Amino acid sequence: QVQLVQSGAEVKKPGASVKVSCKASGYTFTTYYMHWVRQAPGQGLEWMGMINPSDGHTSNTHKLQDRVTMTRDTSTSTVYMELSSLRSDDTAVYYCVREARTSFDYWGQGILVTVSS
Amino acid sequence: DIQMTQSPSSLSASVGDRVTITCRASQSISTYFNWYQQKPGKAPKLLIYAASTLQSGVPSRFSGSGSGTDFTLTISSLQPEDFATYYCQQSYSTPRTFGGGTKVEIK
Repeated sequence: QVQLVQSGAEVKKPGASVKVSCKASGYTFTTYYMHWVRQAPGQGLEWMGMINPSDGHTSNTHKLQDRVTMTRDTSTSTVYMELSSLRSDDTAVYYCVREARTSFDYWGQGILVTVSS
Repeated sequence: DIQMTQSPSSLSASVGDRVTITCRASQSISTYFNWYQQKPGKAPKLLIYAASTLQSGVPSRFSGSGSGTDFTLTISSLQPEDFATYYCQQSYSTPRTFGGGTKVEIK
């Protein structure tokens, strides 16, 4: 069965970077785009960007353009999202999400990234 | 960017009620449109894709309609497990924008 398993919760100081991982299993990793979506406490869903696991091509939201980097490792079927220059308003639950038939059909469990001094 | 405007932002309803949530896109998106359900502390769950296709395993009391700019999610008879927040999303272009959410609460 399809599973997206994310790394554990993180606590970071303002200005630091965080790199989170998402390991996929149960399907052919390179067939489906992977996206990152975040949700600040009590808020809605915010799309961050996407990566094509086949060739590594990415597309990110303009809001985070200079601070977010998405990569993948096809040998381990893992995608990574690194967010730099963290601010308090980056505190959120971060989800990796598989896209199939132009919808987000499988979601990781989500990880809480807390930015606090 | 395509803006998604969802309404209402919250509603109170009773078990057995028929519930309708609407979502409007700022430009035509054909049927590149999806609905998700999220319960507290959980990841969102895909309910309907391509505007009207029920995801496997989703109860038939959920239905979706619309194309272009206006879309609707209908729950024909609200069940206790349906109390949650619902989000719409366009998949026509990047950024893949979401609506602000509709919280369905118990009356």
